Amino acid sequence: AQSVTQLGSHVSVSEGALVLLRCNYSSSVPPYLFWYVQYPNQGLQLLLKYTSAATLVKGINGFEAEFKKSETSFHLTKPSAHMSDAAEYFCAVSDRDSWGKLQFGAGTQVVVTP
Amino acid sequence: DGGITQSPKYLFRKEGQNVTLSCEQNLNHDAMYWYRQDPGQGLRLIYYSQIVNDFQKGDIAEGYSVSREKKESFPLTVTSAQKNPTAFYLCASSVRGSPLHFGNGTRLTVT
Repeated sequence: AQSVTQLGSHVSVSEGALVLLRCNYSSSVPPYLFWYVQYPNQGLQLLLKYTSAATLVKGINGFEAEFKKSETSFHLTKPSAHMSDAAEYFCAVSDRDSWGKLQFGAGTQVVVTP
Repeated sequence: DGGITQSPKYLFRKEGQNVTLSCEQNLNHDAMYWYRQDPGQGLRLIYYSQIVNDFQKGDIAEGYSVSREKKESFPLTVTSAQKNPTAFYLCASSVRGSPLHFGNGTRLTVT
């Protein structure tokens, strides 16, 4: 079964600084990969997805992620953090024959300081 | 606007009582899912349904039950057999090839 590891349960960044959230998956076959964002007491909103097209994926709110097969990674970045980026971020993976059955990482809480 | 409605937002129950969480979608999605969220553990799949009148267990189905009598509705019952029912429950839906669309969740507290 697929698994996902998010390195760092909490990340603090200064406003305007680079945001880097790390995600590694366990699979010999490239899966589908997703990043979701969650604001307090709300559901999850899709930031971006990788489904085998371009390895550099651009999402909403200025986020992007790069799929690196050799490193089994799908790290999320944003060049310049904004206060509104404070939220919890989840990396998720699904097998190609199990669409919708996502395995989620434990999540990374992002704090943005002025 | 199309979306997923989960109700109620907050739910309180006494230990030993069954409780049913509502999930309704007007997105015309075939598949629906229930996930449970606990602090520091991400989301875990409880049940999913890809078509009306059919559903499958996810990773943590014990103590839960579901039904899918209508395409729009996928209620989740948390039974008294669930040992640790207090959690945030998220319903989602999708069509094949599109990412999951999530509701805003129900926070269940059992005391």
